[in-house]
Amino acid sequence: KQEVTQIPAALSVPEGENLVLNCSFTDSAIYNLQWFRQDPGKGLTSLLLIQSSQREQTSGRLNASLDKSSGRSTLYIAASQPGDSATYLCAPYGNNRLAFGKGNQVVVIP
Amino acid sequence: SAVISQKPSRDICQRGTSLTIQCQVDSQVTMMFWYRQQPGQSLTLIATANQGSEATYESGFVIDKFPISRPNLTFSTLTVSNMSPEDSSIYLCSAAETRLGGYTFGSGTRLTVV
Repeated sequence: KQEVTQIPAALSVPEGENLVLNCSFTDSAIYNLQWFRQDPGKGLTSLLLIQSSQREQTSGRLNASLDKSSGRSTLYIAASQPGDSATYLCAPYGNNRLAFGKGNQVVVIP
Repeated sequence: SAVISQKPSRDICQRGTSLTIQCQVDSQVTMMFWYRQQPGQSLTLIATANQGSEATYESGFVIDKFPISRPNLTFSTLTVSNMSPEDSSIYLCSAAETRLGGYTFGSGTRLTVV
């Protein structure tokens, strides 16, 4: 069974600082990995999708890297803003399903 | 990517009653799924909703408690039956057009059972 760990579980940063969110997974036999954002009590918004053949994917201030062989992915958020406050979830896809960790809970302080 | 409309967004229900959650996708999708997120926990897959046939349930989830319908390629419902306070969670539907194309999620249903 795929186990997903996200570190740190929670962090608070001042506005403008860069964010680094780490995700590790135990089974490297994945097809792709998605990063999602979840606001409190809400659904998930897809941020980035990285295929297993890719090393990284970028969208605006967001950049995600994937090292499939070592079972790691990192989400970088540049120049954080208060609107970035949310929980970020990484979800590797393999064995016909997405696996989720508990997320990185981020608070950006104005 | 597909856009999913999920309703209701939240509800407070009496124990012993049932609630049906609906998800409408704006395009035909191959796969639809239902997840549960208990307070402070990660998402757990309840079942895969199969178009025109019975859903495929994960270990620990049964059809009598969580009946699912999927009459076509754009619509699915999940019913939470005979509810107890332990069913208080966020329920989310998800869809994927292809296995490798990434998943889209609905906005979630926040259920509180009193």
